[in-house]
Amino acid sequence: DMQMTQSPSTLSASVGDRVTITCRASQSISSWLAWYQQKPGKAPKLLIYKASSLESGVPSRFSGSGSGTEFTLTISSLQPDDFATYYCQQYNSLWTFGQGTKVEIK
Amino acid sequence: EVQLLESGGGLVQPGGSLRLSCAASGFTFRSYCMSWVRQTPGKGLEWVSGISANGGSTYYADSVKGRFTISRDNSKNMLYLQVNSQRAEDTAVYYCAKGAGGIFSALNSWGQGTLVTVSS
Repeated sequence: DMQMTQSPSTLSASVGDRVTITCRASQSISSWLAWYQQKPGKAPKLLIYKASSLESGVPSRFSGSGSGTEFTLTISSLQPDDFATYYCQQYNSLWTFGQGTKVEIK
Repeated sequence: EVQLLESGGGLVQPGGSLRLSCAASGFTFRSYCMSWVRQTPGKGLEWVSGISANGGSTYYADSVKGRFTISRDNSKNMLYLQVNSQRAEDTAVYYCAKGAGGIFSALNSWGQGTLVTVSS
């Protein structure tokens, strides 16, 4: 079974910080990886697809990179609206989510 | 504007059944794969089931295979999830989500979710 592992599970940061979240796949998924942002009580929102493509309307401070088994989501300068939980998801074979990374205020 | 509106959640006893529905609008429903994703309260996201644009192919997570059935009615722009033999661990918010394109794709629009509680 495909496993997606995110790190860290929780990240404490300040407004303006550069933030990086890592996602590792248990087997190669090429670039079939998406990143989502979820706020409490809300549905997830697609940020990045195909590892590095920015979804329409998503601020350019969000970027994704990687291929194969290792991927990163970077927020170049953390804004107050960015405190949320972030999930990676592979869609190379069915769909599998990582366990999530909560970005909290330091 | 894409809109997905889930309904049908509620309280169900262990072993019971429910049918979840998702009404879609704002896009050509028959052209896109759709999925159901659930989230246990306070926990992470779990993909549950997916269906191709024409309904001819269906996919399930191992945790629900044999108990859940996904279907769609493209004439009514509706997605369904029949959930049988409910277990306590099926308690979750169930989201319907639209695929971005292709059989396996990112999920680019989500409904607001419907809560299913399995309890006696």
